[in-house]
Amino acid sequence: QKEVEQNSGPLSVPEGAIASLNCTYSDRVSQSFFWYRQYSGKSPELIMSIYSNGDKEDGRFTAQLNKASQYVSLLIRDSQPSDSATYLCAVKSVGSASKIIFGSGTRLSIRP
Amino acid sequence: DGGITQSPKYLFRKEGQNVTLSCEQNLNHDAMYWYRQDPGQGLRLIYYSQIVNDFQKGDIAEGYSVSREKKESFPLTVTSAQKNPTAFYLCASSRDRGKLFFGEGSRLTVL
Repeated sequence: QKEVEQNSGPLSVPEGAIASLNCTYSDRVSQSFFWYRQYSGKSPELIMSIYSNGDKEDGRFTAQLNKASQYVSLLIRDSQPSDSATYLCAVKSVGSASKIIFGSGTRLSIRP
Repeated sequence: DGGITQSPKYLFRKEGQNVTLSCEQNLNHDAMYWYRQDPGQGLRLIYYSQIVNDFQKGDIAEGYSVSREKKESFPLTVTSAQKNPTAFYLCASSRDRGKLFFGEGSRLTVL
């Protein structure tokens, strides 16, 4: 079982709709969770971090964390063509100090 | 400006050669990381370091080596033992709680 799993997509969403991206992780003692956006040929950039159960909102982005079910999700409201990218979920565990593991990423395409 | 500098941006290697990728940061971050990314794939952890003179193997350390003699620098050597080194290599640093700041990456191609 992979430590961090994501649906590879591609996920196609119409412009203006809500895009929903999901991620599950296997290590129950994971403590920090991140969503990165990566445009083709570029390096990833952090868009959201979440550390406790519940929702965290930042502009059009909402991260949701459920530690009991071991999943974290990212919602993008009012999707724009510029949101078309690969979204990477990353998890930092307590057991291996500083070790940060990424999922394989979900490709998101916003269609006009 | 603070940031992470990776060099070279593009590198070609003949089979059997060792190559070293440079990573320098002026963010005063303690932790530094090396990841490998293959086309259409996520990031796989090669090595990471929390403090100077200490580093740990990640999930795919075989065929790679690192050093951490200075806080600012974390070079990665791709040795001839790495059988399939063609990939996009990303260096990152972190101050706290795991937020990673990435360099622009180095693309290594084996001829």
